[in-house]
Amino acid sequence: AQSVAQPEDQVNVAEGNPLTVKCTYSVSGNPYLFWYVQYPNRGLQFLLKYITGDNLVKGSYGFEAEFNKSQTSFHLKKPSALVSDSALYFCAVRDISYIPTFGRGTSLIVHP
Amino acid sequence: GAGVSQTPSNKVTEKGKYVELRCDPISGHTALYWYRQSLGQGPEFLIYFQGTGAADDSGLPNDRFFAVRPEGSVSTLKIQRTERGDSAVYLCASSPTNGETQYFGPGTRLLVL
Repeated sequence: AQSVAQPEDQVNVAEGNPLTVKCTYSVSGNPYLFWYVQYPNRGLQFLLKYITGDNLVKGSYGFEAEFNKSQTSFHLKKPSALVSDSALYFCAVRDISYIPTFGRGTSLIVHP
Repeated sequence: GAGVSQTPSNKVTEKGKYVELRCDPISGHTALYWYRQSLGQGPEFLIYFQGTGAADDSGLPNDRFFAVRPEGSVSTLKIQRTERGDSAVYLCASSPTNGETQYFGPGTRLLVL
């Protein structure tokens, strides 16, 4: 079975500071990893994915994530947070099947 | 271009009633997923279509839930004899290929009274 853990329900950061949203996973075989963002009353929007290749993946809106196989982690990062980044962030993993498992989500709050 | 659309955006029904939720995927996307999202949780997989056929329906909680995609485009999620515990946001997503980036609709918020 596959699973995702997002250990922080909420992350608070000041605008302009770097941010990290944590994600660890468990899956059989090679992982397919995704980050999505959800704004209030909106559907999830794709941010970035890791399938294979470079461990550092760059995505939309200046976000990036680093795949760490030994730590089974895929933390989301951004060098300088914006107030508009405040939203709910979901990490997801799937194996060779086509069915992803999502984490519970982390609420990111960026303070002006 | 047009994204994934879902109708209705909100649905209030009474316990025991039948409801249908509709999803219009992005044109040309062969894969279509249904998820259920409860408050404070991530999306929970329900069913996955590849074309017209349900490739995996292992997430459907019981036989009150059923989904169809007769022409490989629009999909309808059907819930019979609704229960209060069915109240949630039902999300649809489509993908151009199997399991890659998914494009989500805004969801249908179902409230069963």
